[in-house]
Amino acid sequence: DTGVSQNPRHKITKRGQNVTFRCDPISEHNRLYWYRQTLGQGPEFLTYFQNEAQLEKSRLLSDRFSAERPKGSFSTLEIQRTEQGDSAMYLCASSPGLAGGLAGELFFGEGSRLTVL
Amino acid sequence: TQLLEQSPQFLSIQEGENLTVYCNSSSVFSSLQWYRQEPGEGPVLLVTVVTGGEVKKLKRLTFQFGDARKDSSLHITAAQPGDTGLYLCAGVGGSNYKLTFGKGTLLTVNP
Repeated sequence: DTGVSQNPRHKITKRGQNVTFRCDPISEHNRLYWYRQTLGQGPEFLTYFQNEAQLEKSRLLSDRFSAERPKGSFSTLEIQRTEQGDSAMYLCASSPGLAGGLAGELFFGEGSRLTVL
Repeated sequence: TQLLEQSPQFLSIQEGENLTVYCNSSSVFSSLQWYRQEPGEGPVLLVTVVTGGEVKKLKRLTFQFGDARKDSSLHITAAQPGDTGLYLCAGVGGSNYKLTFGKGTLLTVNP
């Protein structure tokens, strides 16, 4: 399977704990996105990487959230001191960018569902 | 902030019926995409429309991009239970890399 891979698929944690999610994009895609989705809502943009550079970070992301993409390959999203309001599906997507396809065409992973108790 | 409004929010129909869902904005988008999402899964791209007035067909699904590139519609003919899912529209606006999603239309097709 050469699609976008995310893990863990599900994470249950207690309030105040730290969690980390990993995303492995499609290998030839240089663009990587993180979105958050809560029940009944569409995905909300969190952050965007082009290769290893984080080019945009949403105001939705507090200082407790940090994302990295070392070497422009896989990415991690860490949430420190989790709160109940962080409970959501965290979606990763990759894109080939302008050279390989239409601008903004995203390929999503299956998501990582976080439940904070 | 570019917002996309989708309607209806919920739609429940019988197998074989036709339906149309809408995606509207006050902003102009350089392109607009439709995704379908099933419970517990990530969205899957159905189509991208780029040119104002463009119509694309994907089997029983017909997508249209408004002339002014501010709105779009998805029409499904003879809906089937396998069409059940959350239909999301997403627009590419000012920054070429960023997609803004609507809240989606949750479609249920009953056998």
